[in-house]
Amino acid sequence: AQTVTQSQPEMSVQEAETVTLSCTYDTSESDYYLFWYKQPPSRQMILVIRQEAYKQQNATENRFSVNFQKAAKSFSLKISDSQLGDAAMYFCASLHRSSNYKLTFGKGTLLTVNP
Amino acid sequence: SAVISQKPSRDICQRGTSLTIQCQVDSQVTMMFWYRQQPGQSLTLIATANQGSEATYESGFVIDKFPISRPNLTFSTLTVSNMSPEDSSIYLCSFGQGASQYFGPGTRLLVL
Repeated sequence: AQTVTQSQPEMSVQEAETVTLSCTYDTSESDYYLFWYKQPPSRQMILVIRQEAYKQQNATENRFSVNFQKAAKSFSLKISDSQLGDAAMYFCASLHRSSNYKLTFGKGTLLTVNP
Repeated sequence: SAVISQKPSRDICQRGTSLTIQCQVDSQVTMMFWYRQQPGQSLTLIATANQGSEATYESGFVIDKFPISRPNLTFSTLTVSNMSPEDSSIYLCSFGQGASQYFGPGTRLLVL
């Protein structure tokens, strides 16, 4: 079974600074995808970034980038130039074709952005 | 990506009653999913709903408690039956597009 672990229940960052959220996962397969989702107080789940396991290049989306270390099964999210609107719960998730595209989520990291 | 909506956005229900949650996507999608998020917890998959077949339930979830319909490629419903306070959660539907999943805004359910 696939597992996703987020070891940081809470993180904080100063506005305009950079923060990195950690995620590790466990899989024995080669074909999978990794995601970071953001859940603000509105509770809407927003897809932040996606990484295909077969791609060596780290995904980036504007101020959001990942550090994908396949051998170490690590998938961290870096948020640059943090903004107050980045404050949210962040969930790391994995998806495997062999599991019919089901998402497996970590427990989440609550990010606070301080003005 | 397609737009996904859910109704109701929230509800307060009495124990022993049932609530049906609707999920609508503005384009045809093959795979739809229903998740539960208990207070302070992460998301747990309840079932996968594909049009034209029975829903596939995850361990710990049964059809009698969470019947699902998927009458076409844009719509699905989840019913929470014979509710108890332990069913108080946020229920979210999602659809798959490529290898990505996009979520509805969720239904916040409180059972008294």
